[in-house]
Amino acid sequence: GQQLNQSPQSMFIQEGEDVSMNCTSSSIFNTWLWYKQDPGEGPVLLIALYKAGELTSNGRLTAQFGITRKDSFLNISASIPSDVGIYFCAGRAQGAQKLVFGQGTRLTINP
Amino acid sequence: DTGVSQNPRHKITKRGQNVTFRCDPISEHNRLYWYRQTLGQGPEFLTYFQNEAQLEKSRLLSDRFSAERPKGSFSTLEIQRTEQGDSAMYLCASSLATGRETQYFGPGTRLLVL
Repeated sequence: GQQLNQSPQSMFIQEGEDVSMNCTSSSIFNTWLWYKQDPGEGPVLLIALYKAGELTSNGRLTAQFGITRKDSFLNISASIPSDVGIYFCAGRAQGAQKLVFGQGTRLTINP
Repeated sequence: DTGVSQNPRHKITKRGQNVTFRCDPISEHNRLYWYRQTLGQGPEFLTYFQNEAQLEKSRLLSDRFSAERPKGSFSTLEIQRTEQGDSAMYLCASSLATGRETQYFGPGTRLLVL
């Protein structure tokens, strides 16, 4: 099925470093969402974006809804061990209810 | 806990058996979604309900799959004559139909078909 292009697929960083990941689509979305998933659990919502150009923060996390409405970015500042996990972007097209997900970015942190 | 709940959390079955999963959404949410997630991939949409009406079904939802939400509250997803390819995490999400709708996910049911 249709999926978004999320990159990078994996990241290995040192504790305290900043992290950036992004998601692109060939089609326009009206909503972008970022989720984090731990092994064996469901995705947990981190940030929701509803307007092109919107920049929203949640603690050390900041996400942006791209101006073209075809991309979104997530930044994590000063990473800590509990940030380890898989991060998914998800988009919803106008008039649609279903979410389309990226393939995920696996974040590993070396202490 | 007022989040989305799913039961069972794990299910192991033999090929050809039928299985049923249950999802209890957040209480005031009128939309309920089912997704399937295979290893290394993001969730893929299967179907969704608004109240008790099933409004959209993905082509991934073969005729062996059936979902119900009889009273507009909890939902069940049944897979008949399971195949090894059905092995996956089945995720349920719920939302409130508003202009800024956000889907909240349950912990999932992991299915292994032997």
